[in-house]
Amino acid sequence: DSGVTQTPKHLITATGQRVTLRCSPRSGDLSVYWYQQSLDQGLQFLIQYYNGEERAKGNILERFSAQQFPDLHSELNLSSLELGDSALYFCASTIGTGPYEQYFGPGTRLTVT
Amino acid sequence: AQTVTQSQPEMSVQEAETVTLSCTYDTSESNYYLFWYKQPPSRQMILVIRQEAYKQQNATENRFSVNFQKAAKSFSLKISDSQLGDTAMYFCAFIVSGRGGSEKLVFGKGMKLTVNP
Repeated sequence: DSGVTQTPKHLITATGQRVTLRCSPRSGDLSVYWYQQSLDQGLQFLIQYYNGEERAKGNILERFSAQQFPDLHSELNLSSLELGDSALYFCASTIGTGPYEQYFGPGTRLTVT
Repeated sequence: AQTVTQSQPEMSVQEAETVTLSCTYDTSESNYYLFWYKQPPSRQMILVIRQEAYKQQNATENRFSVNFQKAAKSFSLKISDSQLGDTAMYFCAFIVSGRGGSEKLVFGKGMKLTVNP
């Protein structure tokens, strides 16, 4: 158990819908990262937050957004869902800013039908 | 561009044998960190081992060790005394410190390792 929690574990929804994925980092960690794992694209970095502020953006679509709250949990919002958004979404956390090892949550499996 | 290449998509090995997983990477940075992550069928991403690029000594964690060749940009993982529980996808990754404290993991496409009894 990495100490990072993600909810829900599974999510099935229809095209065009909007969902919110939630992540709670390890106790004491200030940085949260979101990654998408799909069969064709592999593991792709989406976005990073540090202590409530956005620090870096990767291959994140405009339909996707995220935020980190004062209690340091983070939410990833996916809207106008398409079939191609079906993937495993991971949250990872680390203590601060720096090239530290990132500890991953169990992931949320999103299926868009 | 920063990339990671894992050229072997799949390998299998007998229990108790030794296996080496290869990885090459490309970056123009001099300060970076390298990682191997394991993803078993449960899909959890588990850190296996970490190597700082500025360290010449190869990292070791129990049965796992790396062969880090900085000039060749090569970072292979050796698993000794393979166990059934080592069956998983293995991902090579690295981090370069970015501006403003942003660091993202760059992953290879992974390699499926099967340990047979």
